[in-house]
Amino acid sequence: EVQLLESGGGLVQPGGSLRLSCAASTFTFRNYAMSWVRQAPGKGLEWVSSIGGDGGDTKYADSVKGRFTISRDNSKNTLYLEVNSLRADDTAVYYCAKDQFRANGRFDAFDIWGQGTMVTVSS
Amino acid sequence: DIQMTQSPSSLSASVGDRVTFTCRASQSVSTYLHWYQQKPGKAPKVLIYSASSLQSGVPSRFSGSGSGTDFTLTISSLQPEDFATYYCQQTYSVPLTFGQGTKVEIK
Repeated sequence: EVQLLESGGGLVQPGGSLRLSCAASTFTFRNYAMSWVRQAPGKGLEWVSSIGGDGGDTKYADSVKGRFTISRDNSKNTLYLEVNSLRADDTAVYYCAKDQFRANGRFDAFDIWGQGTMVTVSS
Repeated sequence: DIQMTQSPSSLSASVGDRVTFTCRASQSVSTYLHWYQQKPGKAPKVLIYSASSLQSGVPSRFSGSGSGTDFTLTISSLQPEDFATYYCQQTYSVPLTFGQGTKVEIK
């Protein structure tokens, strides 16, 4: 079964940092673009960032640009999100998600999602 | 940025009802429009991709239509397990954007 498993969330003070990880299994990881999507408590889904299969093409939402960095290690089948300068409005469940069909170009639907990791920013 | 507007924001329906909700994009997204179902405490699940293609394993009572700016998701006969929140998403251009969701509740 294709799986994504996030880790790295937690409670952090405003201005702090975390590194989120997403371990992929049972599919050829490098063949697919990957993304992070977050959901604040009681709110809707917000796209955060995406990365191409070879890691060379990265995209960010304006709300996180300059503070968050997406990366991947295809040898470890793992996606990362480095989150810095955290603010209260970054509090959310962070999901990683797999592009349905391709590694690069225009994105497709997200066909596989992890279970999410909670990031809470509070003093 | 492309804004996605879903309507209604919520609806109450009974088991067996036919329900339709809409998603409107602020500019054309061609057919780069996808529908997700999310239940409380769970990750979203794709139901329909590319506006009208049924994801493998999803019951055939779900269908999608539309192109350009106007899209619909229809559940032909609502089942108890369908009570959830439904989101549309465009992947035509970055930033990728989701609608605000339609919550389907039991009447």
